Order: sequence, then C-alpha cells, then structure tokens
Amino acid sequence: EVQLLESGGVLVQPGGSLRLSCAVSGFTPSSFAMTWVRQAPGKGLEWVATVGESGASTYYADSVKGRFSISRDNSKNTLYLQMISLRAEDTGLYYCARHSSNWGSFDFWGQGTLVTVSS
Amino acid sequence: NFMLTQPHSVSESPGKTVTISCTRSSGSIVSNFVQWYQQRPGGAPTIVIYEDNERPSGVPDRFSGSIDRSSNSASLTISGLKIEDEADYYCQSYDSITWVFGGGTKLTVL
Repeated sequence: EVQLLESGGVLVQPGGSLRLSCAVSGFTPSSFAMTWVRQAPGKGLEWVATVGESGASTYYADSVKGRFSISRDNSKNTLYLQMISLRAEDTGLYYCARHSSNWGSFDFWGQGTLVTVSS
Repeated sequence: NFMLTQPHSVSESPGKTVTISCTRSSGSIVSNFVQWYQQRPGGAPTIVIYEDNERPSGVPDRFSGSIDRSSNSASLTISGLKIEDEADYYCQSYDSITWVFGGGTKLTVL
C-alpha cells in the first residue's frame, strides 16, 4: 500500500525558515518523480515544486522560485521542502504527492502538514 | 503559462447527472492530458480521472471525463449522483515543466 506522511509544519514568523519532510512507503521511491502542492485556507490547490526520480532535476512555481528548495533522499525514502524568507501568503496545508509514471498527474497524496506564517 | 477555469459551484439532486467544465486559457486542450481530483471536506485530494478519460481502479464508472476541442475545454461528468459525491473537484493539466490546477468547483448534492 502506497503511503505518504508529511511532517514539519509549524507556526513561523515572516522571514523565517522551515523544512518539511515526507516519508514514503509502499513503492520504490527512485522510480517516481515527487511533488509538493499547497492549499491556502479556504482556497484551491497550487503546484509548488517537483523533483525528478534521482533528485538531479527540480522545477518550481514562480511564486516560490529562489526561496524554496525541493530535494529527496531515496535511501531514506524521504522527500523534503526547504523554505526560506517565508511570507504570510505561504500559509497553508502542504501536501506531498507522487507523480504518475509519465509525470502528468499526481496519483497518490499524503494528508498534508500545516504551515502558518504569522507574527 | 496557461490557466484552467472552472465554475465556482454546481448543485444537483441525488440520482441526477452533473457536468463540471474546465476551460484552458491558451494552448490547445489536447496538447497535454487533463486530470480530475476529488477533495472531500477535511480530506486530501484523490484522483478520479487521469489522461482525459481514464479511471483509476476503485473509482466507480459513474465518473467519466471528456475533451471538447471546439470549446478548448475538458469536462467531468458524474451520473447517478450520491450524497458522498459532495466535494470540491479540481481539474489539472501541465505544460512542459509546469503543472496547473483549475480553481476548483464545489459540488453540492441536495
């Protein structure tokens, strides 16, 4: 059974930093690209960042480029999202999700971890 | 980058059929596959349609997807509506190395 479990979400001040983690199980991580998607309170889904199967390729939404960094450690079955210079508009529920084999869709999702950026 | 536009909300009675549209702002709707996700209140999204009209295992055949080139849009149709279908539905597509979600449609079954 595929499982994704996010952690690391907390209350942080504007300008602060945070690292989210996503522990995966039930599949071979090195065979799938992985992504982070966020959802502001009461709002829709927003793609944030994607990392390729080996970790060598990364892609970012314009809204987070230069501030967020996605990475993975396949030996630890874990995906990461390092966030710096956090803003109020970064507040939301952060989901990790597995890409389908052709990268077009997200076939499994975690339950999310809540990041709140506020003073 | 393109945008995907969905109606904010739709409502229908149990047993009826509802269709949710998703219009691509630029580029052809057939350039890249469209997916649909269901998000029940308090829950994580789950995929209900992938590659325009394919259903993952476990998704009932009451859910179907289609593409209309003339309107540059995709549609999700749910037939035989059940109370449990009440949720937010999001379309999603991609272009090169960018993945885009529609704004979401709240389906009310009343």
